[in-house]
Amino acid sequence: GQQVMQIPQYQHVQEGEDFTTYCNSSTTLSNIQWYKQRPGGHPVFLIQLVKSGEVKKQKRLTFQFGEAKKNSSLHITATQTTDVGTYFCARNNNDMRFGAGTRLTVKP
Amino acid sequence: NAGVTQTPKFQVLKTGQSMTLQCAQDMNHNSMYWYRQDPGMGLRLIYYSASEGTTDKGEVPNGYNVSRLNKREFSLRLESAAPSQTSVYFCASSPTGGDGYTFGSGTRLTVV
Repeated sequence: GQQVMQIPQYQHVQEGEDFTTYCNSSTTLSNIQWYKQRPGGHPVFLIQLVKSGEVKKQKRLTFQFGEAKKNSSLHITATQTTDVGTYFCARNNNDMRFGAGTRLTVKP
Repeated sequence: NAGVTQTPKFQVLKTGQSMTLQCAQDMNHNSMYWYRQDPGMGLRLIYYSASEGTTDKGEVPNGYNVSRLNKREFSLRLESAAPSQTSVYFCASSPTGGDGYTFGSGTRLTVV
């Protein structure tokens, strides 16, 4: 099974609302990666976090890596319909293991 | 550049039939991977190849075999397909094991 746990499994928001998905591990991670998969599409790499407490931003997306390197989050500010999809975190020790993902739907 | 190319895009097999899923990348990546994706299960690693000439089992290798034909190509073979292997299969590659992955567009396989 997955070695990283993601919550929530589903999230439905009104356009303009914020969205956050969380990724947790019972063990210390060397790094964490985030991917987005549009409905019917394939996963697309978004970002990699490596350092304890690291925060990275991509436009309306903010990624955080916990101080203990056991958790991570992805926050989207003011969601848009183009944000629809499933967001996966993944831990990488030369073979990537994915969380189950958070499916985001956005109501216009 | 095409990135990661998977063939076929769709396939229907009868139980017991065999087939090979093809994957090729043109990015000179060292590492290649095969995943399956089932509803609610996320992506599960079947096999991977950290470099040309090596292959290793992932989370769910039973019922599958792989061949790293050369640096560009990594194929996945189902010797005797079972309905439990109905899934979407993704191939991915990365420069090394620690980098972000580039995925192919997937193969949707149905075993009846």
